Amino acid sequence: QQQVKQSPQSLIVQKGGISIINCAYENTAFDYFPWYQQFPGKGPALLIAIRPDVSEKKEGRFTISFNKSAKQFSLHIMDSQPGDSATYFCAASERNTDKLIFGTGTRLQVFP
Amino acid sequence: DSGVTQTPKHLITATGQRVTLRCSPRSGDLSVYWYQQSLDQGLQFLIQYYNGEERAKGNILERFSAQQFPDLHSELNLSSLELGDSALYFCASSVRQGGREQYFGPGTRLTVT
Repeated sequence: QQQVKQSPQSLIVQKGGISIINCAYENTAFDYFPWYQQFPGKGPALLIAIRPDVSEKKEGRFTISFNKSAKQFSLHIMDSQPGDSATYFCAASERNTDKLIFGTGTRLQVFP
Repeated sequence: DSGVTQTPKHLITATGQRVTLRCSPRSGDLSVYWYQQSLDQGLQFLIQYYNGEERAKGNILERFSAQQFPDLHSELNLSSLELGDSALYFCASSVRQGGREQYFGPGTRLTVT
């Protein structure tokens, strides 16, 4: 049973554009939602994370939008650059447990 | 560089064999997690240790086991290997139990032939 659904599977964006990746969850016990960036041959790197008490968190060109009532959250990459080309994973974890449940990943390609 | 180290980087072995993957957490981190990444299953949580004790188990096969040593490094033991065990195995660490930010190592790529 997939607890965190991620879309799209792949995304092609032109340099300077906005990349948007969406995730949805069912488990209302989830209370921590991180995004990870993974380059080929590397481990996932923590990008940004949010808790459900805020609706938006911004760090540089990366923004998480969180909709608690809809049980959805999304990653926005502003001014996308070729160096952002990677696979992005959303994840979630429950209070009182630390294990991360990952989405299936989105392969982002940014073309100049 | 996350500060988490994993060895070896690559491992090629035959079916039925046993291997040990090693992980050193970031300095000061007490909690270690193991994840498996494969094309068909994605990234899946296997097991967590905190300060030497097992804290949580995920979809870990009975053929797999792990431990965390007094110096906080951890080892994942995979035995009776099958072709389907071929995957990337990642270790992550966090500063404490309940420390939500997990930092991943570079992974060990296991190929079972």
